[in-house]
Amino acid sequence: GAVVSQHPSRVICKSGTSVKIECRSLDFQATTMFWYRQFPKQSLMLMATSNEGSKATYEQGVEKDKFLINHASLTLSTLTVTSAHPEDSSFYICSVSETSGAGAKNIQYFGAGTRLSVL
Amino acid sequence: GQQVMQIPQYQHVQEGEDFTTYCNSSTTLSNIQWYKQRPGGHPVFLIQLVKSGEVKKQKRLTFQFGEAKKNSSLHITATQTTDVGTYFCAAFISNFGNEKLTFGTGTRLTIIP
Repeated sequence: GAVVSQHPSRVICKSGTSVKIECRSLDFQATTMFWYRQFPKQSLMLMATSNEGSKATYEQGVEKDKFLINHASLTLSTLTVTSAHPEDSSFYICSVSETSGAGAKNIQYFGAGTRLSVL
Repeated sequence: GQQVMQIPQYQHVQEGEDFTTYCNSSTTLSNIQWYKQRPGGHPVFLIQLVKSGEVKKQKRLTFQFGEAKKNSSLHITATQTTDVGTYFCAAFISNFGNEKLTFGTGTRLTIIP
């Protein structure tokens, strides 16, 4: 399956600063990447779909000005958490999807995730 | 709201005992996927089920898709400490005309050695 690299793995920052998270598809040209957020002991919630060369599609309730997504190439998508606050502390994970054959849906391959702690 | 529910939320078992997690949806699903997330890790794809009543096995893991394609289960036989983690089912569900992969609430499995 696709190999996805996510960086950094952990960030601790002060309230009000901005944090950029990178997601790279190492062996696969991804026109679409996905950004998820996961709070402790909870499920993954899709935040947005990152589209190469065009605007990201945000899920309901996700502030696009707060979570800036850039997908400038087929192998790189970035998520910037602007003016981070303690309530933004979470585990952010990106993924790419790969087709799995006739009749089946795409499979998600995830990066290792970024644990953000805002003080 | 959450459209794919899983039970139980937590399960503690003695090593060697069996474990089952159930996934339920209020709508008919085109397919179901299962992922495993180790503590501190990221979700890893396990399997995909497409056909009504389908059963697939991976060593000690047995996955089943219900006849009505509204539920699924994952059964682990003779659990080992390496089975520790949270198991998520996931399905593509239409929302305002767009199909999105929606994850279940997850079942966290802990093993007592």
